Amino acid sequence: TQLLEQSPQFLSIQEGENLTVYCNSSSVFSSLQWYRQEPGEGPVLLVTVVTGGEVKKLKRLTFQFGDARKDSSLHITAAQPGDTGLYLCAGATLNTGNQFYFGTGTSLTVIP
Amino acid sequence: NAGVMQNPRHLVRRRGQEARLRCSPMKGHSHVYWYRQLPEEGLKFMVYLQKENIIDESGMPKERFSAEFPKEGPSILRIQQVVRGDSAAYFCASSPLRGRDYGYTFGSGTRLTVV
Repeated sequence: TQLLEQSPQFLSIQEGENLTVYCNSSSVFSSLQWYRQEPGEGPVLLVTVVTGGEVKKLKRLTFQFGDARKDSSLHITAAQPGDTGLYLCAGATLNTGNQFYFGTGTSLTVIP
Repeated sequence: NAGVMQNPRHLVRRRGQEARLRCSPMKGHSHVYWYRQLPEEGLKFMVYLQKENIIDESGMPKERFSAEFPKEGPSILRIQQVVRGDSAAYFCASSPLRGRDYGYTFGSGTRLTVV
């Protein structure tokens, strides 16, 4: 079983559309991070959220951490082909010590 | 300032051989983490090291796998007597402080293929 469930698993949209991807768990996280990974490369950190209800914006990307710190969402406005990639959430719980658990990701394709 | 450097990028080994994967963390980063990514699976934690110390190896298979981060030089992930199931992408990440609080900087990975 996965500690972090991401949905949808695959998403294909047209350039200019908006989208939201989700990261859910039954566990409470002390911190949660979002990464983007392109084929053949390592993940690149986008944001870290630590406070329940926190919202962070990074240009066209909006990240929200759930009030109970069990879930998170990533919203992309006016998607561009350069947004194409695998979006991964990763979280650490109070009980997992040094382990950072990664979800299996949402594979996003933005069609020009 | 170079990022996290991993080499080789691609490694092919025959069953039974040894694989040695190297990782040089970002300058100023003293925390190193190794993760394995299998096709259709997420990144799985293997080991967390600081200079000359293994802090957490709870994700490492009990046999054939070992890791070190010496005082001088890169961190090494060593897999002895490789089997086909070891084929995967192995990623190293580093952080200046504990990564779970500050986030990781990942390398580009080493893709191990066991034939």
